[in-house]
Amino acid sequence: SQKIEQNSEALNIQEGKTATLTCNYTNYSPAYLQWYRQDPGRGPVFLLLIRENEKEKRKERLKVTFDTTLKQSLFHITASQPADSATYLCAPVSGGSYIPTFGRGTSLIVHP
Amino acid sequence: SAVISQKPSRDICQRGTSLTIQCQVDSQVTMMFWYRQQPGQSLTLIATANQGSEATYESGFVIDKFPISRPNLTFSTLTVSNMSPEDSSIYLCSVVTSGRGDTQYFGPGTRLTVL
Repeated sequence: SQKIEQNSEALNIQEGKTATLTCNYTNYSPAYLQWYRQDPGRGPVFLLLIRENEKEKRKERLKVTFDTTLKQSLFHITASQPADSATYLCAPVSGGSYIPTFGRGTSLIVHP
Repeated sequence: SAVISQKPSRDICQRGTSLTIQCQVDSQVTMMFWYRQQPGQSLTLIATANQGSEATYESGFVIDKFPISRPNLTFSTLTVSNMSPEDSSIYLCSVVTSGRGDTQYFGPGTRLTVL
C-alpha cells in the first residue's frame, strides 16, 4: 500500500540554523509533491510545490528537493526563526489527481 | 487564492446527536473537499463535494454517516451523524482554485468534541 513517512520526532534547532525535513514515500509515483505548514488549531497552509521533472524549487528561505529515484523530498528552511516553529506536512499527488495524500508531518521547533 | 470560513469553529456535542458544519468560500471554486484530522494524526480525506451531484466518498466513509451538500460553487456542508466519541476530531474544508488543481486552500477547521 502507499505510504508516506515523515519523521514523527520533533526537530529542535537553534535560530539561524538550517532546518531540513525529510519525506519518504513508497508504492507511489507522484506527479508532484506539495509541502504545507500547519500551526496548532489551524488548517494547513500551502508553501511549495515541486513537480516530478524538477530537482529543486526555491521560495525565499525555503527550498524543496525531489528525488524520484530515492522516492524522497527534502524541505529546507535556511536562517530559521522561532516564527518558523510549526508542523510541516508533505503531500504527494498522483498523476491525474488533484487530491494529495498527507503525511503525518514533522514538528519543527526553532529555539531563540 | 481563496479565503475559506467554517462554522462553527468548535462544538461539544452529546453522543447520538448530529452536527452540520458549514464551509463558505469567497470565490467560485470547482473542487471542494472535506478532511478529518484526529489528534496527532494526519489529514484524512472524507469526500469530494460535487456541485449538483452526490459527493464522492473515500474508503471507510459513507453517506449515511457523513452526508454532504454542495448547492453552489461557493458553499458546502458536512454533517456528522449519530456521533460517538470516536468522531471527536478537527474537520477541515478545502478547495482547489487553479485550473491545474495544484494548490489546495484550507479552512480554519471545526474542532468537534463528542461526549
